[in-house]
Order: sequence, then C-alpha cells, then structure tokens
Amino acid sequence: DVKVTQSSRYLVKRTGEKVFLECVQDMDHENMFWYRQDPGLGLRLIYFSYDVKMKEKGDIPEGYSVSREKKERFSLILESASTNQTSMYLCASSLLGLAGLNEQFFGPGTRLTVL
Amino acid sequence: KNEVEQSPQNLTAQEGEFITINCSYSVGISALHWLQQHPGGGIVSLFMLSSGKKKHGRLIATINIQEKHSSLHITASHPRDSAVYICAPPGGATNKLIFGTGTLLAVQP
Repeated sequence: DVKVTQSSRYLVKRTGEKVFLECVQDMDHENMFWYRQDPGLGLRLIYFSYDVKMKEKGDIPEGYSVSREKKERFSLILESASTNQTSMYLCASSLLGLAGLNEQFFGPGTRLTVL
Repeated sequence: KNEVEQSPQNLTAQEGEFITINCSYSVGISALHWLQQHPGGGIVSLFMLSSGKKKHGRLIATINIQEKHSSLHITASHPRDSAVYICAPPGGATNKLIFGTGTLLAVQP
C-alpha cells in the first residue's frame, strides 16, 4: 500500500513564526503536491513538484515556499505565518505523468492554527 | 460560475437507500476523479474514469464526457459510508486537478 505521511496532525503556531510541514511518501512517486483545504472552498493547490529540486506554483503560492531535496520528501514552508494561513494542509503523491491523469495518494493532513 | 459543481451539497439518507451524487464541470477533460474524505481523516481516491462506468463494491461511478457530467452512486448505503465525496476533473493549462467543494453524506441507521 502506498503510504503518505505528514509530520504533524495538529500544529499551533504564532503569527510571524517560520513553519515547516513535512511530507514523506514510500512508493517512489515522482509527483508530489501540497494543498490547503478550507470550508466552502475545496482543496486548492499550493505547490507541485515533479522531480527532486523541481517545483511549480499552484493556484495559491503566495506566502509559501517548498523544498524537495529527496524524492520521497516534500516540505512546505511558511516563512512568516499569518492568521489567514490557518487551514488544513494536505500532501499527496502520484506517479510521473500529467498530474490530473494519475491517481493521487493523500496524507492524513495537518490542521494548522496560527494565533 | 465555478468550474466544478456538485449536487447536492448535503445529503442525509437512511441505511439501505440508493444514493446519487452529481458532478458537473465546465473544463474540457479526458478523465475525472472521485475522492472520499471521512471526518477528520485523509482523502482516499475512489475512482478515476474517462468513459462509461466503473464499479467497486457498492460504489458505481459513471461519466458522460460530452455532457460534462459524472455521477457517483452508492447502493445499499451504510452508516460507514458517511463522508464527504469530492469530484475532481483535471483542467486548466497545467492539467492539475480542480476540486469540487464536496457533498457531505450522512447515512443514518
């Protein structure tokens, strides 16, 4: 079974803190994704990576950066957390190919609260 | 207008009922995903289909590419089917998934 794990289920941070969210997958997938999920808005793509050190901006990259130094690990960084970044963050992975045409496997999510 | 619209947004059913969730989209696609999210839980991919119908246990997904419409059916519903069901076609210039806002299903015993 594909397993996608995220470093924390719940996280509380203060405004202005630097926040790291980590995602690890064990199926040698090339594609990895970071989404945020907010009530009434559905999932929105923050960043996408199709290979080590490669990344593409998604629909809402402002205020976020990412790092992919190893194939299995994709990190989301909030350089200076703000209250409007309070959300559920979900990581996903899939095989190489057009991102919409392969099954995506999701992690359990990290519920981040910024005070 | 949203690119992906699901109906209904909320659905309450009695155990054993046949359930239908609909998804209409405006993007041109070659495939569509159906996903399930349990309360507080992660998301599980149920189906990816590009034509016709797929069946997995009590779940059936159909798609009509020409009409840009897909349906998810649950036969003999059970309380453990209670979850949010999300449809997601790929779209836009980057062909990434575009997610609907989901249908919250509650199946009562």
